[in-house]
Amino acid sequence: DTEVTQTPKHLVMGMTNKKSLKCEQHMGHRAMYWYKQKAKKPPELMFVYSYEKLSINESVPSRFSPECPNSSLLNLHLHALQPEDSALYLCASSQLEIGNQPQHFGDGTRLSIL
Amino acid sequence: RKEVEQDPGPFNVPEGATVAFNCTYSNSASQSFFWYRQDCRKEPKLLMSVYSSGNEDGRFTAQLNRASQYISLLIRDSKLSDSATYLCVVRRGSQGNLIFGKGTKLSVKP
Repeated sequence: DTEVTQTPKHLVMGMTNKKSLKCEQHMGHRAMYWYKQKAKKPPELMFVYSYEKLSINESVPSRFSPECPNSSLLNLHLHALQPEDSALYLCASSQLEIGNQPQHFGDGTRLSIL
Repeated sequence: RKEVEQDPGPFNVPEGATVAFNCTYSNSASQSFFWYRQDCRKEPKLLMSVYSSGNEDGRFTAQLNRASQYISLLIRDSKLSDSATYLCVVRRGSQGNLIFGKGTKLSVKP
């Protein structure tokens, strides 16, 4: 059982749709992350939020827009995605962005772009 | 050279076998090290952090050699449920991103 909850579990959308992925954690962690994972590849970092402020954007296209409404929630807004954006999107959290704390992952949203 | 490199695998072993995975990292400023396991179509789950003195958790033993920039994971008495992909993960510096290796697939057979 994961302590990082992601919704929805699966999402199918067209290239003109707007949708949002949601992530929630109640472990008091102050760092939250979005990753993208393609089949048979390791996760790739997209965004890092630390104390609800965007800390890292790994040159992600603007069709992906992150938002951190409070310390427990992290959203990823999607608009005008491309078929190559189909992937597993993973949210993670850690106590802090710095230091040696591990990250804990949610079970992901499997996204398919038609 | 990739920043984190792992044995390509797959490793196919019988139940009860001992299996070892190796991982090397290229950035000497790396400070934190982890092993995660990932089941097919599931999220990565933390298996264990890796400490300089080496650490053990039940059947799992992790070792770190900073001089050689090398991390290992030893699994004793393999179980069918150990079948998964094992990801070597390194944090670049104290404030760096996590860098994932490509993973090593383990299949434990009856």
